[in-house]
Amino acid sequence: ILNVEQSPQSLHVQEGDSTNFTCSFPSSNFYALHWYRWETAKSPEALFVMTLNGDEKKKGRISATLNTKEGYSYLYIKGSQPEDSATYLCAFPIYNQGGKLIFGQGTELSVKP
Amino acid sequence: DAGVIQSPRHEVTEMGQEVTLRCKPISGHDYLFWYRQTMMRGLELLIYFNNNVPIDDSGMPEDRFSAKMPNASFSTLKIQPSEPRDSAVYFCASSLTRNEQFFGPGTRLTVL
Repeated sequence: ILNVEQSPQSLHVQEGDSTNFTCSFPSSNFYALHWYRWETAKSPEALFVMTLNGDEKKKGRISATLNTKEGYSYLYIKGSQPEDSATYLCAFPIYNQGGKLIFGQGTELSVKP
Repeated sequence: DAGVIQSPRHEVTEMGQEVTLRCKPISGHDYLFWYRQTMMRGLELLIYFNNNVPIDDSGMPEDRFSAKMPNASFSTLKIQPSEPRDSAVYFCASSLTRNEQFFGPGTRLTVL
């Protein structure tokens, strides 16, 4: 059974704080890892698709790193803003199933002004 | 492209009624996924299609649920008969093979 775990489950920070959270995934049969951002009452949106060990991707104040050998990825948010409040999901696609995703339970981030 | 389109956005129905949810994937995408979001179970995959063919329906909760994809631009998820425990947000998503998934806005279903 493939297991994707995220920690922490929830995080409450003040505006301006930098924060990071973790996604752990199976290191065998790896070909990609996805990060999605899911705001309340909206639908999930892809942030990053990461494929290479050591890869680092950045979008504005949000960045992510990838370690495929040990099976983890970190998502960083620099200088959190209230609009960053959302649930951040990582997802592990299964190669021979057309990219069917195994989602983690998500990290719920709340940024207080 | 307009993105993944779902209709209706909200549906309120009575127990026992038939409910049909609709999805139009992004043009050119070869995979289509139906998900259900509930408080208890989070985001769960119900079924997915590749080139209009159902590949894995192991997530469909029971025989009351069925899904079809008659062509590359349209899919339906049907619940018959509906029950209060089916109340949830249903998302449709599409993707190119092994790329990120693009989600529709969801249909919020309430069964009274």
